[in-house]
Amino acid sequence: QKEVEQNSGPLSVPEGAIASLNCTYSDRVSQSFFWYRQYSGKSPELIMSIYSNGDKEDGRFTAQLNKASQYVSLLIRDSQPSDSATYLCAVEARNQGGKLIFGQGTELSVKP
Amino acid sequence: DAGVTQSPTHLIKTRGQQVTLRCSPKSGHDTVSWYQQALGQGPQFIFQYYEEEERQRGNFPDRFSGHQFPNYSSELNVNALLLGDSALYLCASSVELGTEAFFGQGTRLTVV
Repeated sequence: QKEVEQNSGPLSVPEGAIASLNCTYSDRVSQSFFWYRQYSGKSPELIMSIYSNGDKEDGRFTAQLNKASQYVSLLIRDSQPSDSATYLCAVEARNQGGKLIFGQGTELSVKP
Repeated sequence: DAGVTQSPTHLIKTRGQQVTLRCSPKSGHDTVSWYQQALGQGPQFIFQYYEEEERQRGNFPDRFSGHQFPNYSSELNVNALLLGDSALYLCASSVELGTEAFFGQGTRLTVV
């Protein structure tokens, strides 16, 4: 089992729709979770962090965390073509010195 | 406020050579982590520096070494380059473990 798993996609949604990106993790003691957006050829850009169970909203983005199910998700409302990118889920490995462990990323394509 | 800066942005080296990559963290950050990202994969943790010491290390051979200077900037050195070392090398800085990490623009290393 991979430490952080994401569907590689590609996930294709029409413009204006809600994009739902999912991530599961194996380390039960992890406390910090992050979503990064990475455009092709560029470096990852932090878009959301979440530390407590429940939802956290920031503009069109909502991060959801369920520690009991070891599941974190990212919702993008009113998706725009400019949201087309690879979305990386990162989990702090608390029992491995706090390093970030990344999933392989989900490629999102928003069609006009 | 300057973010994380890396140099150089692109580099071409011959197999067997040595390379040094540089990173300046975001202002106020004292922890620097290095990642390797192969095409189509999530970033893989190489090591992390704090207070000029290597605090954590990922599953990378001893050919990969680093250093952190008193001003918190850092270097990544790779000896005896292999073709498989071709990747995007990313530096990330943070205030402390488990908090938000911000990436530089990366160094694209090509080994020929």
